[in-house]
Amino acid sequence: EAGVVQSPRYKIIEKKQPVAFWCNPISGHNTLYWYLQNLGQGPELLIRYENEEAVDDSQLPKDRFSAERLKGVDSTLKIQPAELGDSAVYLCASSFSGAHYNEQFFGPGTRLTVL
Amino acid sequence: AQKITQTQPGMFVQEKEAVTLDCTYDTSDPSYGLFWYKQPSSGEMIFLIYQGSYDQQNATEGRYSLNFQKARKSANLVISASQLGDSAMYFCAMSLRGEKLTFGTGTRLTIIP
Repeated sequence: EAGVVQSPRYKIIEKKQPVAFWCNPISGHNTLYWYLQNLGQGPELLIRYENEEAVDDSQLPKDRFSAERLKGVDSTLKIQPAELGDSAVYLCASSFSGAHYNEQFFGPGTRLTVL
Repeated sequence: AQKITQTQPGMFVQEKEAVTLDCTYDTSDPSYGLFWYKQPSSGEMIFLIYQGSYDQQNATEGRYSLNFQKARKSANLVISASQLGDSAMYFCAMSLRGEKLTFGTGTRLTIIP
């Protein structure tokens, strides 16, 4: 079974430029999460989708960040414009809400560097 | 609000020895799940073990066991017979009602040959 796929793995951009990250969850997983992980810290939730619906986006900085999950499968996270402080690893995870304890499976992450 | 505390920023352990990674949590919700993840230098988060708040027995998965002390709100991870490949960051996390994971700051474990 394929795991959570993310692309790109690495991205270097200049500040004020836009950037987008893509995530393909595990087949059959209806819940998708985007987490932000700063250096030396644990991941923090940005947004959680149940199928196509964003059910928790309270931590998403909506002035510059946006996300979508078309057809309840793949998801894209966008930053426009990027700031120096956005340099971090962006992790995507997925889970099946009917599972016993809703284990989240993580992708390899996208490491963003903003210059 | 829920909170996870990991007080050990780094640990060094001799190969083949057992190691305990500390984790305490705080929540007023009686229903919660506790998770441990391993994050190697490659970056992916690897699930290790789960403990539910109503589980009567401590969880075990191979060389991993979770020392769950509910009254003390602690969920320490025990790795037996450590191996060089165990060197990584380890994160404790909590989930309420199967929703988002709240992570601690992690412990960097280094296994010494």
